[in-house]
Amino acid sequence: AQSVSQHNHHVILSEAASLELGCNYSYGGTVNLFWYVQYPGQHLQLLLKYFSGDPLVKGIKGFEAEFIKSKFSFNLRKPSVQWSDTAEYFCAVSSTSGTYKYIFGTGTRLKVLA
Amino acid sequence: DVKVTQSSRYLVKRTGEKVFLECVQDMDHENMFWYRQDPGLGLRLIYFSYDVKMKEKGDIPEGYSVSREKKERFSLILESASTNQTSMYLCATFPSGAYYEQYFGPGTRLTVT
Repeated sequence: AQSVSQHNHHVILSEAASLELGCNYSYGGTVNLFWYVQYPGQHLQLLLKYFSGDPLVKGIKGFEAEFIKSKFSFNLRKPSVQWSDTAEYFCAVSSTSGTYKYIFGTGTRLKVLA
Repeated sequence: DVKVTQSSRYLVKRTGEKVFLECVQDMDHENMFWYRQDPGLGLRLIYFSYDVKMKEKGDIPEGYSVSREKKERFSLILESASTNQTSMYLCATFPSGAYYEQYFGPGTRLTVT
């Protein structure tokens, strides 16, 4: 069955700490990969995406993610978090063909302490 | 910029009422989606539409129906609202083609009492 796993449900970090959020997927065929972020009271917005090419993808606000095909993973990283990164983060996968349905992970709530 | 609007940010309805949630996009996108977002469950797909008058069931369609009479508008209908449909409802849109991301509306927080 198609699925996306985010193993960290809640993460608490101090400002300037490094961040890595895990995302593993189970999906047949070629995939597109996404990280979305939802800041408190705001709508979901795209953080970064991977379609093809360089497996290290850079997104907005200093975030990056690495696609490791052999591990079916697309982990999100940031070397130094800020209080304003407090949000919920969602990993998502879609197929490159067919109906382009997305499968979302259950989300990771990140709290950054000032 | 893609703009996706939803008819209400907050809605309170009674059990058994018929509820309409509307989503409008201004970018001529073919594909539109309705999700519900619940704590610890992430986003779950209710229905999606890839063209006017076309619809497909998502993963949790029970208790819901949809309507897409015009390309820019996608409505989610709760035929008889129940308390377990209390949730945040998100609309999303994106154009045809494999290499695009979805754009989300602000969401409607529905409470059924």
